Amino acid sequence: AQSVTQLGSHVSVSEGALVLLRCNYSSSVPPYLFWYVQYPNQGLQLLLKYTSAATLVKGINGFEAEFKKSETSFHLTKPSAHMSDAAEYFCAVSSNTGANSKLTFGKGITLSVRP
Amino acid sequence: GAGVSQSPRYKVAKRGQDVALRCDPISGHVSLFWYQQALGQGPEFLTYFQNEAQLDKSGLPSDRFFAERPEGSVSTLKIQRTQQEDSAVYLCASSLVAGGGEQFFGPGTRLTVL
Repeated sequence: AQSVTQLGSHVSVSEGALVLLRCNYSSSVPPYLFWYVQYPNQGLQLLLKYTSAATLVKGINGFEAEFKKSETSFHLTKPSAHMSDAAEYFCAVSSNTGANSKLTFGKGITLSVRP
Repeated sequence: GAGVSQSPRYKVAKRGQDVALRCDPISGHVSLFWYQQALGQGPEFLTYFQNEAQLDKSGLPSDRFFAERPEGSVSTLKIQRTQQEDSAVYLCASSLVAGGGEQFFGPGTRLTVL
């Protein structure tokens, strides 16, 4: 079984400040890990993914995440927040066995960016 | 089209009505997934198709939920005798390869059951 924990439901940062969104996972098999962003009334857009290659993964819009097996974490960061980053962010895990890559999502975190 | 499309975008149903939600995946994508996203929650897996074969339906919440993909492209999620707890956004995603690969999501259908 797999699960994702995203602590807190809302994060607020000032424009230009560091963004840190936390994600911890549980998986009985080596995981694939993902961060998705969702803007209002839109579908999910993939920000970045970890698929057992480099542990530091760079994604779109200046986001990156680091896979830490010892901490079962995959936290999302961005050095400098922009107003356009305000959205809902979901961390997700899937199995890497290839049989069925259904995603298990966390509850999501709403990011607000203050001017 | 270039992406996954879903229709209708919004659906209001009276309790007890049947509804059908459509998903048009990216052309040539083998895998198709349905997810249910309740208000304030993350999406939850419903069912998975590889071409026309429904390989996993473990997430369907009851026998009122039925999905099909008869020709391996367009998929329909049907909900019979809708209940208020069925109110949610229903997301469809497709991926190029069987079993794995990046999933591309549609905009979703927001179902409200009155």
